[in-house]
Amino acid sequence: IAGITQAPTSQILAAGRRMTLRCTQDMRHNAMYWYRQDLGLGLRLIHYSNTAGTTGKGEVPDGYSVSRANTDDFPLTLASAVPSQTSVYFCASSDRSYNEQFFGPGTRLTVL
Amino acid sequence: GQNIDQPTEMTATEGAIVQINCTYQTSGFNGLFWYQQHAGEAPTFLSYNVLDGLEEKGRFSSFLSRSKGYSYLLLKELQMKDSASYLCAVRDSNYQLIWGAGTKLIIKP
Repeated sequence: IAGITQAPTSQILAAGRRMTLRCTQDMRHNAMYWYRQDLGLGLRLIHYSNTAGTTGKGEVPDGYSVSRANTDDFPLTLASAVPSQTSVYFCASSDRSYNEQFFGPGTRLTVL
Repeated sequence: GQNIDQPTEMTATEGAIVQINCTYQTSGFNGLFWYQQHAGEAPTFLSYNVLDGLEEKGRFSSFLSRSKGYSYLLLKELQMKDSASYLCAVRDSNYQLIWGAGTKLIIKP
């Protein structure tokens, strides 16, 4: 692994189903983030984690949950998917000592 | 509220120069970032400004004026591969990034 990976690449999901998007980084970055990107809108922060064992809510956390059991993994769970959660989801990470965030390739999620 | 404004779309000619503007109103300021995002791909980091002035990196330069809440990204010697969306983001007082909707840059031969 080099950088950040996300799985799945894309998914079509029935409304009401539970879904976990996976994110793994191998850069030993302390901070990790989940964003959603919708047409015409900027990236919006869903949840973040400044370090393993801690998480925080972003701008649009409702309907989503996260966990950070270790440094490398930061899964995002939709407990009961709704059509408004149709979006492209990006995971990102950053080191406290560096400024930029590094992004994974994204997961395209469609909720029907 | 927090707000970042950028033009939705711009068109430029191969070999020319283009300036993409970004204005912001945020709760606190801890730096401004520019990212490039090709269609269907992830954003990638281009530049970072925290002090007023111009930062130059090859064909790309970024300028910041904190007193005016204003930044621009300058792209010189445009190439077809520069066709992409350019995202402006400000790190606020909570050290979270607030993102603009992005400027889609179309390069014509």
